[in-house]
Amino acid sequence: SQTIHQWPATLVQPVGSPLSLECTVEGTSNPNLYWYRQAAGRGLQLLFYSVGIGQISSEVPQNLSASRPQDRQFILSSKKLLLSDSGFYLCAWTIGYGYTFGSGTRLTVV
Amino acid sequence: EDKVVQSPLSLVVHEGDTVTLNCSYEVTNFRSLLWYKQEKKAPTFLFMLTSSGIEKKSGRLSSILDKKELSSILNITATQTGDSAIYLCAVDSSFGNEKLTFGTGTRLTIIP
Repeated sequence: SQTIHQWPATLVQPVGSPLSLECTVEGTSNPNLYWYRQAAGRGLQLLFYSVGIGQISSEVPQNLSASRPQDRQFILSSKKLLLSDSGFYLCAWTIGYGYTFGSGTRLTVV
Repeated sequence: EDKVVQSPLSLVVHEGDTVTLNCSYEVTNFRSLLWYKQEKKAPTFLFMLTSSGIEKKSGRLSSILDKKELSSILNITATQTGDSAIYLCAVDSSFGNEKLTFGTGTRLTIIP
């Protein structure tokens, strides 16, 4: 069966520290992968999407970057976190119609 | 720029009431419209509506897509406290790569 794993579930990081969130997909090949962020009280905002290994498209200029080193692995990173990076980060995948979301990471930058 | 707007932003009703949530969109290349329910963590899928399937129903929930008006509604009848959640509308736009554009969501609260 197809599953998506995202970790960690919660994270508290100081301003200026680095970030690495990881998402992996099982049971499928060559999925489209996505990183979304949901700020408090707001809808989901698409940050990055990837249609293949090494192919990353950025939707919003920001302090974050994404990488896809393997077909089923998607990583969200930052060299130096800002307070405004706090939020709920969701990884998602699709191989056509329908999207599946990971369980999310709640990031608090202090 | 693709845009999805949901209304109302929040809604408080009593258990047993019927509610209608609205979603309108402006996208360059419409492929489908999706409804999700988000409680505490990841959104869970409710419906997908395309040009070939403009009405969906599952139990007390139903959704209709109006491609002429570029909008969709989500109806919930005989609401229960377990229906309390944020309901997200998203549009899948295809221009070589599938991607979802989400609305801000409607926060629904059901009072016992």
